[in-house]
Amino acid sequence: SQTIHQWPATLVQPVGSPLSLECTVEGTSNPNLYWYRQAAGRGLQLLFYSVGIGQISSEVPQNLSASRPQDRQFILSSKKLLLSDSGFYLCAWSPRLAGGQETQYFGPGTRLLVL
Amino acid sequence: AQSVTQLDSHVSVSEGTPVLLRCNYSSSYSPSLFWYVQHPNKGLQLLLKYTSAATLVKGINGFEAEFKKSETSFHLTKPSAHMSDAAEYFCVVRGPLPFGSARQLTFGSGTQLTVLP
Repeated sequence: SQTIHQWPATLVQPVGSPLSLECTVEGTSNPNLYWYRQAAGRGLQLLFYSVGIGQISSEVPQNLSASRPQDRQFILSSKKLLLSDSGFYLCAWSPRLAGGQETQYFGPGTRLLVL
Repeated sequence: AQSVTQLDSHVSVSEGTPVLLRCNYSSSYSPSLFWYVQHPNKGLQLLLKYTSAATLVKGINGFEAEFKKSETSFHLTKPSAHMSDAAEYFCVVRGPLPFGSARQLTFGSGTQLTVLP
């Protein structure tokens, strides 16, 4: 069966410091991968998605970047964190199926607090 | 473009009574619709999905939802609430991007379900 991992689970970082959040998927190949942010009291916002190694699409302009160095690894980064980067970051994956019937499955999330 | 509206930000029910979480959608295409549940400080768990098969969809933990095209609704129900059902619930519609691209999800703003003893 497929599993998705995220780490760390919780992170407290000072403003201006760098960030690296990691997401890995097991038990599948060639997944679509996604990064979402959930700010307190708000819904989920899609940040990035990837359909393959090195292929990243950004949904909103922001202080963050994403990379996909391996098929089942998705990394969210920042060179200098802002206070507004605080939130709950969720990674998700979906299989690549004909007809677009794939479903997205979410990881456990990373709680980021920027002080 | 698609959108989804969850009509209630908070719903409170007593344990053992029925649950109704309301969702209306807007889509230019035949939509795929989902309900996800999120327990505090946890990721999202898929409850059920509708992908143009049976209009009454059964999910995990006794939840089900009915797709009503005439009403553009996809309400989530459960006959009898349990304390463990207390969580936030998201109604989600999937976008019609062409095959080969990542399918984008549009999330509702969420409904917080409280279950009273």
